[in-house]
Amino acid sequence: GENVEQHPSTLSVQEGDSAVIKCTYSDSASNYFPWYKQELGKGPQLIIDIRSNVGEKKDQRIAVTLNKTAKHFSLHITETQPEDSAVYFCAASKENSSASKIIFGSGTRLSIRP
Amino acid sequence: DGGITQSPKYLFRKEGQNVTLSCEQNLNHDAMYWYRQDPGQGLRLIYYSQIVNDFQKGDIAEGYSVSREKKESFPLTVTSAQKNPTAFYLCASSNRGRGQPQHFGDGTRLSIL
Repeated sequence: GENVEQHPSTLSVQEGDSAVIKCTYSDSASNYFPWYKQELGKGPQLIIDIRSNVGEKKDQRIAVTLNKTAKHFSLHITETQPEDSAVYFCAASKENSSASKIIFGSGTRLSIRP
Repeated sequence: DGGITQSPKYLFRKEGQNVTLSCEQNLNHDAMYWYRQDPGQGLRLIYYSQIVNDFQKGDIAEGYSVSREKKESFPLTVTSAQKNPTAFYLCASSNRGRGQPQHFGDGTRLSIL
């Protein structure tokens, strides 16, 4: 079945620097890749997503890139701020006529140092 | 405001007891999902439902049961057959169709007394 690997498991960056989180997926038929941010005691919140017909997508300080050939996708956060500290999950989904099932990576705990 | 409400936020269960976790959404979503989250791990799918009166097992359905009698509600019962029920449980919902993002509630933390 589909497997999603996420690295690193923890990441600490200086405020203002950039953070990069990388994921790989196993099922080449996957075509939808959302990223979620989870703050302590809360549910995950969708922050950005990308579909397989697009190589890159940006939304203000966050961007996601997708390499379908290598089955890699990455989250980039620029000019990091204290409120970026959270756990980030990548995910992959193989859309079909049934429910949109999502396979999650194991998460990256991002800490922003002041 | 539209959203997903999970209750209670914290729940304690005695050994051998069944317990039911509530999930209600007012987003008019057809599909609903239950996930389990353990420390240091990603979310694992327990059950999902695409439409009222229909649901399917996810990857870790053993020891759990669900019902979907109303579009807005998707309760999860953790039965005594679940040997390691202590975890953070998350409910989500989405529209049906391709590439529909899932919206999550704020979870219920279940602990065994």
